[in-house]
Amino acid sequence: NAGVTQTPKFQVLKTGQSMTLQCAQDMNHNSMYWYRQDPGMGLRLIYYSASEGTTDKGEVPNGYNVSRLNKREFSLRLESAAPSQTSVYFCASSERLAGYTDTQYFGPGTRLTVL
Amino acid sequence: QKEVEQNSGPLSVPEGAIASLNCTYSDRVSQSFFWYRQYSGKSPELIMSIYSNGDKEDGRFTAQLNKASQYVSLLIRDSQPSDSATYLCAVKGYGGATNKLIFGTGTLLAVQP
Repeated sequence: NAGVTQTPKFQVLKTGQSMTLQCAQDMNHNSMYWYRQDPGMGLRLIYYSASEGTTDKGEVPNGYNVSRLNKREFSLRLESAAPSQTSVYFCASSERLAGYTDTQYFGPGTRLTVL
Repeated sequence: QKEVEQNSGPLSVPEGAIASLNCTYSDRVSQSFFWYRQYSGKSPELIMSIYSNGDKEDGRFTAQLNKASQYVSLLIRDSQPSDSATYLCAVKGYGGATNKLIFGTGTLLAVQP
């Protein structure tokens, strides 16, 4: 099992360009998440999908959109990239959102630089 | 006040010593507590979870939870240079708006050979 995979690993964009970060999991998990990690800020939740067909905003959703394509895949789109979106983006998945023992597993991350 | 607080470190310990990492949280309804290890340039990986007051041991790692005082700690015995990483504390509530994982900013641990 690959676990959680993300593409691309690295990306450089110019301000105003758009791109989609892809995430897939092969653990048959119901819930998926997108985080960004910035120095001194920790991991912050951008969007999450509790189950296939549902998506909800997290702590820092502005400037992003998501699509839960199917149970395996959850993509994050930047419509008009800004330098403030320079960050490391992690996708994660878990069996279900509401279980208190639910553990999140992380993908390898995408390092995005917006010039 | 941040929801989950950790000392950013670096915490420097000699090889073979016990490393003690601490975390406090503000939301009293928090039910689940996780410690993730993150090597530089890598993704977080779960090393311990704890849900009840007291100690939970797994190999060289011991997690300690005190819900009354709202803190959770991680002890690493016989620290090794390979333990050098950032340790993230994460806290989760149960039900409704509180069921998302909230992360601290992490403590950088440096184990000196």
